[in-house]
Amino acid sequence: RKEVEQDPGPFNVPEGATVAFNCTYSNSASQSFFWYRQDCRKEPKLLMSVYSSGNEDGRFTAQLNRASQYISLLIRDSKLSDSATYLCVVNSGNTGKLIFGQGTTLQVKP
Amino acid sequence: NAGVMQNPRHLVRRRGQEARLRCSPMKGHSHVYWYRQLPEEGLKFMVYLQKENIIDESGMPKERFSAEFPKEGPSILRIQQVVRGDSAAYFCASSPGTGLYNGYTFGSGTRLTVV
Repeated sequence: RKEVEQDPGPFNVPEGATVAFNCTYSNSASQSFFWYRQDCRKEPKLLMSVYSSGNEDGRFTAQLNRASQYISLLIRDSKLSDSATYLCVVNSGNTGKLIFGQGTTLQVKP
Repeated sequence: NAGVMQNPRHLVRRRGQEARLRCSPMKGHSHVYWYRQLPEEGLKFMVYLQKENIIDESGMPKERFSAEFPKEGPSILRIQQVVRGDSAAYFCASSPGTGLYNGYTFGSGTRLTVV
């Protein structure tokens, strides 16, 4: 079983749509959770951290369910510029090592 | 405050040559991580270093690959006797410590092409 699993997609949605990505992780000792964004094989960039209480940043909302070892990202009112690959990222146990999911590709169409 | 600097951006090597990839962490960061992204695949952890120490090299191939982070100068990922399968994007990231509340900052990567 992979340490971090995501549906690779692609998700093709029209502008203005709401889209949700899900991710599961296998290491119950993980403490830090993130969503990163990667454009066209460029370097990944941190989108947001994910907290147990849930957190929101503009049109983006992230949720963490520790009991189910499940992380989600919700994007509201999708823009063309949201087209990218979204990477679910979890630290490996108590270490500083981050484990990346395969990524979920989002294509927002006019 | 410059970000994580990687060079070269693009590197072409013939099979059997050596490739050296450099990474200068952000100012004040003492932890460096190397990741590899093969075409159409996700990022795979390779190695985690602090100054003069390898902390975790569980993702490094057993042969031909080595990494260092000397007291002075950048971190170096070295690939000896490159093969076509080594063609990939190699990303370096840095952090100030093991507190990961802000995640990593990545460099722009080195795209290695083996011909």
